[in-house]
Amino acid sequence: QKEVEQDPGPLSVPEGAIVSLNCTYSNSAFQYFMWYRQYSRKGPELLMYTYSSGNKEDGRFTAQVDKSSKYISLFIRDSQPSDSATYLCAMSVNSARQLTFGSGTQLTVLP
Amino acid sequence: DSGVTQTPKHLITATGQRVTLRCSPRSGDLSVYWYQQSLDQGLQFLIQYYNGEERAKGNILERFSAQQFPDLHSELNLSSLELGDSALYFCASSDLRGRGTDTQYFGPGTRLTVL
Repeated sequence: QKEVEQDPGPLSVPEGAIVSLNCTYSNSAFQYFMWYRQYSRKGPELLMYTYSSGNKEDGRFTAQVDKSSKYISLFIRDSQPSDSATYLCAMSVNSARQLTFGSGTQLTVLP
Repeated sequence: DSGVTQTPKHLITATGQRVTLRCSPRSGDLSVYWYQQSLDQGLQFLIQYYNGEERAKGNILERFSAQQFPDLHSELNLSSLELGDSALYFCASSDLRGRGTDTQYFGPGTRLTVL
């Protein structure tokens, strides 16, 4: 069993839809949680970085962490075609350590 | 642009050969991480350096080695290459100076093809 499991997708939604991306993890030592966006096999780009359980909002993006359930989510509101990319969840046991990634969810937002 | 640079962008070589991938971290970042991304294994951590010293090792093969130089750039050496080593290799860097910004910023990657 992988330490981090991510909904595999692919996911295709119409423009303007709300998108929900999810990951579960098994290692309770994970304390830091991130979402990265990756376009066409380019370098991952950090979207959200959270430490505690709860919600964190940044523009159209909301990251949610539930440590008791070992579950994290990323919500994208008013999705745009430019949001079409692969989304990777990542986590680490502390901020100075390596990241463990989910397998990624490929999202396509149709105009 | 993350500020992390990697060279070369693409590398095509033959089995059994040796290659060197180079990474320059963001200005001021002390730590460098190497990751491998393949279709079947996803994005996996290989090795981390901090201020010239090895800090952590992941799923790095014995045929692979890395180092970080005094100017903080890093090189990943891959030897006795096999077809299965074909992948995207990413370098990431982070500050780790205790200034509260430990986010890892990724470079554009080096695409390695082993024929």
